[in-house]
Amino acid sequence: GNSVTQMEGPVTLSEEAFLTINCTYTATGYPSLFWYVQYPGEGLQLLLKATKADDKGSNKGFEATYRKETTSFHLEKGSVQVSDSAVYFCALSDRRGSNYQLIWGAGTKLIIKP
Amino acid sequence: GAVVSQHPSRVICKSGTSVKIECRSLDFQATTMFWYRQFPKQSLMLMATSNEGSKATYEQGVEKDKFLINHASLTLSTLTVTSAHPEDSSFYICSARDLLGTSSSETQYFGPGTRLLVL
Repeated sequence: GNSVTQMEGPVTLSEEAFLTINCTYTATGYPSLFWYVQYPGEGLQLLLKATKADDKGSNKGFEATYRKETTSFHLEKGSVQVSDSAVYFCALSDRRGSNYQLIWGAGTKLIIKP
Repeated sequence: GAVVSQHPSRVICKSGTSVKIECRSLDFQATTMFWYRQFPKQSLMLMATSNEGSKATYEQGVEKDKFLINHASLTLSTLTVTSAHPEDSSFYICSARDLLGTSSSETQYFGPGTRLLVL
């Protein structure tokens, strides 16, 4: 079945460092791919998404490119801030009948130190 | 746009009581709502998929008689934890998918979650 694998955390970086959080997937067909973020004490928020191969999703300085050849959707940001500290989840859409369900990665906790 | 609310945000109850959690889509109509459970430092576990006007579809291992789901309208779904026990303590999150039948309908919008503590 479809699955998502994320790099284990926590990932600890200094402010202004470059960030990469790896995400790879296994899927039949061509699912849409998502990154969600969960800030401390808050619910999940959609960060970015890509719906087809070679699409690049971007938001708040974060980017991820849908790579079909490597089945990856790595999250990147050029210069992180303390406020980016959160848990990041990679997910793909899995069609079941008329519904789409999300298949989740385990989440990667990001800690940014000033 | 695409705001989902949950109520209550936090609830403490005694063992054996029932707790109802509401999930509302505030500015869009949701044909489908999802209920998740999240354990500390873990990913989300899908409990059930709820379609407006029909019975919910439960994931394997989730007791439908314990976790009652009602999706009575296009903007409201409720999860009732019946006869709650301490092991039901968790963070419950709902999400909603909008009515439009486009590729963007794969996107789920999440509520802020409800933290349940059963004593």
